[in-house]
Amino acid sequence: DAKTTQPPSMDCAEGRAANLPCNHSTISGNEYVYWYRQIHSQGPQYIIHGLKNNETNEMASLIITEDRKSSTLILPHATLRDTAVYYCIVRVAASYDKVIFGPGTSLSVIP
Amino acid sequence: ETGVTQTPRHLVMGMTNKKSLKCEQHLGHNAMYWYKQSAKKPLELMFVYNFKEQTENNSVPSRFSPECPNSSHLFLHLHTLQPEDSALYLCASSQQAGGPSYEQYFGPGTRLTVT
Repeated sequence: DAKTTQPPSMDCAEGRAANLPCNHSTISGNEYVYWYRQIHSQGPQYIIHGLKNNETNEMASLIITEDRKSSTLILPHATLRDTAVYYCIVRVAASYDKVIFGPGTSLSVIP
Repeated sequence: ETGVTQTPRHLVMGMTNKKSLKCEQHLGHNAMYWYKQSAKKPLELMFVYNFKEQTENNSVPSRFSPECPNSSHLFLHLHTLQPEDSALYLCASSQQAGGPSYEQYFGPGTRLTVT
């Protein structure tokens, strides 16, 4: 099981901020939240990850609630090239670095 | 460019053929992975290699046979596949399997069609 829930689809106007939510209510204390995206027919692209603090990089910002049960990926100025499926992943805290992808959110950036 | 390459990018094969998919990573990583993505389905992990040793086989049928001769190369040997095996096959690598916050880097994938 993916251990995360995301809305199946979202629309965002070009140039506006895209806020993609994710629920991970069963997250364990040593599990990280990762975000990937997959543009049609390409391999998934790593975006950002975090444990409990908010994170920002050149692609996006990640806001994690204080109880860590949910997070939001923010694309500050969405472009048409950001149209993709976005996956929120809770990294399995096992012996191996296994990533389990759920169905994700299909983001459509509209001109 | 993620530093992970896959060949071929597209492959069409009959059910009686034998073919191989190749993955190479130029990132100095020690863990490599095979994933399968069928149409409109989430990614499914198939195999995990850590320091050339297979550490996970996620109940994959024996018609898929992985090989990892070194930490930079990963193969997926295919034989007597079924049409339902048609999918995008993705290779990924990470610094090592296990431990904190090692992100995975994915290749572009091989689009496989079984006729």
